Amino acid sequence: QPVVTQPPSSSASPGESARLTCTLPSDINVGNYNIYWYQQKPGSPPRYLLYYSSDSDKGQGSGVPSRFSGSKDASANTGILLISGLHSEDEADYYCMIWSSNAVVFGGGTKLTVL
Amino acid sequence: QITLKESGPTLVKPTQTLTLTCTFSGFSLTTSRLGVGWIRQPPGRALEWLAVIYWDDDKRYSPSLMGRLTITKDTSKNHVVLTMTNMDPVDTATYYCVHTSYSNTWSLDYWGQGTLVTVSS
Repeated sequence: QPVVTQPPSSSASPGESARLTCTLPSDINVGNYNIYWYQQKPGSPPRYLLYYSSDSDKGQGSGVPSRFSGSKDASANTGILLISGLHSEDEADYYCMIWSSNAVVFGGGTKLTVL
Repeated sequence: QITLKESGPTLVKPTQTLTLTCTFSGFSLTTSRLGVGWIRQPPGRALEWLAVIYWDDDKRYSPSLMGRLTITKDTSKNHVVLTMTNMDPVDTATYYCVHTSYSNTWSLDYWGQGTLVTVSS
């Protein structure tokens, strides 16, 4: 199973943008994977936000605002979650996920602090 | 409206077998391109995927836990059951039941509230 790496923490101020990363190991190509993103607040289950494969293949979870968006940085073999116009309620843990060999792999999660 | 609810013991002893039931509503596991899975989260730690069962009874398991897990469905009761053998204190976690569906891709789009299982003698 591949190891998917997320920075443990990130911070930004209200109104700013937050860019959260999800790095795949070098032996697999981010271009071949859908990257899924989940938000989890304390005491609650994760919430599905979106998936991103390419600009022509992406999807938003039900009721998820458009200020949550996905992208990829092929040069860094990384999936990206961009949250624009940060709100205080965006403070949460964020997990990325991929399907690999018919199994799910989660990243270790990033705790986003909205200062 | 899709809902899922996990049930089972809150405390199990080491070496025992854990049996968890996911009771769902708002969909049927006889519908093509649907599945129900299990994911767990130890306290303060990251999510870990365990298993999924699909409408056609195809089953997939976490490679690291495959020998300990069994997932089954009862479509007449809208239940999915996960059993995990040889429980250990490191298996202490909140266990989530998850709906997965295919629309261009398989997303884990609806989650139960989770049930905390503690493994202790």
